[in-house]
Amino acid sequence: GQQLNQSPQSMFIQEGEDVSMNCTSSSIFNTWLWYKQDPGEGPVLLIALYKAGELTSNGRLTAQFGITRKDSFLNISASIPSDVGIYFCAGQWGSQGNLIFGKGTKLSVKP
Amino acid sequence: DTEVTQTPKHLVMGMTNKKSLKCEQHMGHRAMYWYKQKAKKPPELMFVYSYEKLSINESVPSRFSPECPNSSLLNLHLHALQPEDSALYLCASSQGGQGAGYTFGSGTRLTVV
Repeated sequence: GQQLNQSPQSMFIQEGEDVSMNCTSSSIFNTWLWYKQDPGEGPVLLIALYKAGELTSNGRLTAQFGITRKDSFLNISASIPSDVGIYFCAGQWGSQGNLIFGKGTKLSVKP
Repeated sequence: DTEVTQTPKHLVMGMTNKKSLKCEQHMGHRAMYWYKQKAKKPPELMFVYSYEKLSINESVPSRFSPECPNSSLLNLHLHALQPEDSALYLCASSQGGQGAGYTFGSGTRLTVV
């Protein structure tokens, strides 16, 4: 079956530092999505990418859809304590738009 | 209204109990989903409803029974669950099709004792 390899698994950074995480797959996806999940809550959509090569920003967040359509990265600039949480990449495939998630990157920010 | 509302937020049930999880959205989304999420793991797809019809069942045990009474509501009926079924159950909705982002609810934290 399809799998997404998300790395790193966890990150411990100092407030103000930049963060980068990525997802790769052996499968091609038509859409890449990045979600953030806080403890006890559902995932919240951060950025959606629809075209190969697309670079999209949302405030301090920047994400890119890889040219091969098999990978994506998410950057967070100047991290702040509220960036703490688990970040999931998700690839969308098929005519029904089925979604598969990466294993997540747990981000910890030290003030 | 841009939310998916799930109730209850927490549920503790015995292995012989019957309970239901409820999900509601008023965004006009035509696809609704149930996901199961264990601690420190990504959400795993259980069921997909498209236009109120079950379109995907990811080999989920029959002790989980989904129901879609109308385009805004999605239920998950639970019966004779096992302790290993304890998890966060997430509901999501989307317009359906490629490029349609999913909106997730806050989930129901289920504990089976």
